[in-house]
Amino acid sequence: EAEVAQSPRYKITEKSQAVAFWCDPISGHATLYWYRQILGQGPELLVQFQDESVVDDSQLPKDRFSAERLKGVDSTLKIQPAELGDSAMYLCASSLRGPQGTQYFGPGTRLLVL
Amino acid sequence: AQSVAQPEDQVNVAEGNPLTVKCTYSVSGNPYLFWYVQYPNRGLQFLLKYITGDNLVKGSYGFEAEFNKSQTSFHLKKPSALVSDSALYFCAVRDSTTTLMDSNYQLIWGAGTKLIIKP
Repeated sequence: EAEVAQSPRYKITEKSQAVAFWCDPISGHATLYWYRQILGQGPELLVQFQDESVVDDSQLPKDRFSAERLKGVDSTLKIQPAELGDSAMYLCASSLRGPQGTQYFGPGTRLLVL
Repeated sequence: AQSVAQPEDQVNVAEGNPLTVKCTYSVSGNPYLFWYVQYPNRGLQFLLKYITGDNLVKGSYGFEAEFNKSQTSFHLKKPSALVSDSALYFCAVRDSTTTLMDSNYQLIWGAGTKLIIKP
C-alpha cells in the first residue's frame, strides 16, 4: 500500500538554528499539504500545493518558514531561524485533485526546539 | 462559515462495550465528511468518509459512521470497543459546493476527541 514518506521522524535543534523537513507524497497525488500540530490539538494547515504551485500559504509564517515543491513531487519545509514556539509535530499529507479527495498523512516529524 | 464541533474532549468506554464519538458540522452546501485516528507520535490515519449515498459508512478497524443530514451530525461508532482503539479521533468536513478558488478544497478540522478504552 502506497504511503506518504517523511523524514526525519524526530528533530532536536537549538533556537536560531535552521531545520528542514522532507516529504514524498503518494505517487500520482497532485495536492500536497504541510500541517503543524500542537500536542492534543487538531492540525493547522501551513501550506498547500497543487502540483508545483502554492495555492494557499496564508497561515505560513513567511518571515521564517518556507516551502517548495520544485518538480511537483516531493516537498521541503524549512524553518530559519527556529524559535521555541515552533516545537510541534509537522505533518505532510497528499491527495488526488478535487473536493472528494482523501488526504493521506505521513508519520510526521516531531520537532523540539531548545 | 464552515465549522466542525466535537463536543467531547474525552470519551471513556469499557472494553467490549459499544462506543460513539460525536461530530456535528456546519456548511453552506452538502458536506463531505471524514474521520481520522491518531495514535501517539504518529500521523493521522484515514478511517472513513461520507461523500454521497448510503448514510451508514463502514471503514477501517470495524468502525462505522452515520450521516444524519437533519441533525448535521456524523458520529463515529463501533459495536465492541478494543483497548487498542484508544487514541485521538478527528472529524473533518469540506463543503462540496465550494470551488477550488473559494476554498482550495481545504478540510475544516474538529479539535479532536480522546478515546480511552478501559480493560
